Amino acid sequence: TQLLEQSPQFLSIQEGENLTVYCNSSSVFSSLQWYRQEPGEGPVLLVTVVTGGEVKKLKRLTFQFGDARKDSSLHITAAQPGDTGLYLCAGKNQAGTALIFGKGTTLSVSS
Amino acid sequence: GAVVSQHPSWVICKSGTSVKIECRSLDFQATTMFWYRQFPKQSLMLMATSNEGSKATYEQGVEKDKFLINHASLTLSTLTVTSAHPEDSSFYICSAVGGRANTDTQYFGPGTRLTVL
Repeated sequence: TQLLEQSPQFLSIQEGENLTVYCNSSSVFSSLQWYRQEPGEGPVLLVTVVTGGEVKKLKRLTFQFGDARKDSSLHITAAQPGDTGLYLCAGKNQAGTALIFGKGTTLSVSS
Repeated sequence: GAVVSQHPSWVICKSGTSVKIECRSLDFQATTMFWYRQFPKQSLMLMATSNEGSKATYEQGVEKDKFLINHASLTLSTLTVTSAHPEDSSFYICSAVGGRANTDTQYFGPGTRLTVL
């Protein structure tokens, strides 16, 4: 069974700080996706990474896929209160289209 | 494009009743839809995979007779929680695979909050 370990589970920071969320597995994924979810809503796709070593940037968010495609990170620079939410990583196994989700990171950014 | 809707967005029912939740892909055809369950401050747990015109594939530990899934068309899948009990209270989210941009990307619905009294 493929598992995705996501850390930290909870993160509470001040506006302007930087943070990194990690997603690790012992298995290889064909692709990995990062989602952001607000309370009472469905997850919204932020980015998909497919190539080992790939780095993608989305404004203040930087996503990296490990060289071996077993891990990924999300780095937020100068966090803002609007970044508050649940961040989920999800990997797609090589056999099909089912997504395997990490446990999520609940981020709270206070002003 | 690639919008997925769910109806209802929230529902409150009495214990023992059945509740149907609809998941629709509004502007694309989805050959596969997934149903997830999410408890407060937790991640999504895959319940079942639904393919149009065939029986759903349930994850281990999910009772197929309690959570009935019907995928009658390429744009609609339904989840019926039968004889609901308070422990079934949860946030149910569907996703659909498809869309013009990437046929392998999952697009999520907004979720349905079920509360069983």
